[in-house]
Amino acid sequence: QVQLRESGPGLVKPSETLSLTCTVSGYSIRSGYYWGWIRQPPGKGLEWIGSMYHSGSTYSTPSLRSRLTISLDTSKNQVSLKLSSVTAADTAVYYCASFYCGGDCYSGYFDNWGQGTLVTVSS
Amino acid sequence: SSVLTQPPSVSVAPGKTARITCGGNNIGSNSVHWYQQKPGQAPVLVMYYHSDRPSGIPERFSGSNSGNTATLTISRVEAGDEADYYCQLWDTSSDRWVFGGGTKLTVL
Repeated sequence: QVQLRESGPGLVKPSETLSLTCTVSGYSIRSGYYWGWIRQPPGKGLEWIGSMYHSGSTYSTPSLRSRLTISLDTSKNQVSLKLSSVTAADTAVYYCASFYCGGDCYSGYFDNWGQGTLVTVSS
Repeated sequence: SSVLTQPPSVSVAPGKTARITCGGNNIGSNSVHWYQQKPGQAPVLVMYYHSDRPSGIPERFSGSNSGNTATLTISRVEAGDEADYYCQLWDTSSDRWVFGGGTKLTVL
């Protein structure tokens, strides 16, 4: 069973960079799978941020693409998220999830989720 | 606003059937997935490829997808089914995976 756990600062100042790490257990990220990030502003719905394959190919939501970096550290079995120039609108619970593609990634789904971590953007 | 339209809330008595819809243009031609999120918890996949259940999800949960509407059906609803439910698919027009706005299921 794949398990994921997000970690990182709970408070980030406006204009700075939000950095989160997702530690994966029960599966080697170098073996395959896509790894994604989803966020949920307080009291609101889910928003897909971006996903990365173990080979390095990435997808990201167009509205965040210019500020977003997703990377894998296979030696630590971790997935990282960096979001630059944050504003209060980036305040949310951030979830890491494994993404199952099957034969067609456009039909894929998020099958395992971390517990999420709240990041507040405030001075 | 999401390209997927869900009713904000659905209420149902225990033991009855709840139907949660997800509307979108020609959604029947896409693979739709559903997630359950209880308060303070992470989402859990409850249906994938619109009608397949992950292991551990009760048979009371079923799904369908046709035309412009996908539906998650929960039969013999229990108090423990009370949660927010989200649909998800790939949106070609915006080049991203999208979630519906979510439906709060209340068990009366």
